[in-house]
Amino acid sequence: DTAVSQTPKYLVTQMGNDKSIKCEQNLGHDTMYWYKQDSKKFLKIMFSYNNKELIINETVPNRFSPKSPDKAHLNLHINSLELGDSAVYFCASSPGGGNTEAFFGQGTRLTVV
Amino acid sequence: AQKVTQAQTEISVVEKEDVTLDCVYETRDTTYYLFWYKQPPSGELVFLIRRNSFDEQNEISGRYSWNFQKSTSSFNFTITASQVVDSAVYFCALSEARYGGATNKLIFGTGTLLAVQP
Repeated sequence: DTAVSQTPKYLVTQMGNDKSIKCEQNLGHDTMYWYKQDSKKFLKIMFSYNNKELIINETVPNRFSPKSPDKAHLNLHINSLELGDSAVYFCASSPGGGNTEAFFGQGTRLTVV
Repeated sequence: AQKVTQAQTEISVVEKEDVTLDCVYETRDTTYYLFWYKQPPSGELVFLIRRNSFDEQNEISGRYSWNFQKSTSSFNFTITASQVVDSAVYFCALSEARYGGATNKLIFGTGTLLAVQP
């Protein structure tokens, strides 16, 4: 059973389109995240939710809108995609705060052409 | 400000060699947490270890060991008798005790690409 699963694994789309990435965790964790990994492999947090409440919004353009319908799901919707949005997006979950480890999904490779 | 530095961009070793991956961190907090993650060529991020700032005991898990030294703000990772399957990008990360325990914001280093040659 996959603990943190994201769909799709690959996404190729044209500039200007709107796309969504879905994430689900079956670990019973309260906290979920979106991280972005750029072409240089640099990982940076985008958002964090705890029990459906937004805790961290790391100055991400408002074209990116996370939505957490329940604590097991955290989806990422991106409007008006730009070339610079091409990256690998990782969903993750953790039981809570800094003294707990985050478990990551397999990543979604987004390519904007 | 929080920062994690992994000065080694790439390391290449021959199988069975020992290798140490360096990690230096900066934080003003007295309570913080340090992590190592592995990213193999398949792309997923695999959790390896978490250490608390108040626990400087070194840890060994099989061929892996970690050396945490607060005096030098370092949390180094050693692989003994490396194997080809150890080839991956390794990330060191820092998080601080904030947000009331509700969340864990990981600050990642830039990663070290380890290539183990047969």
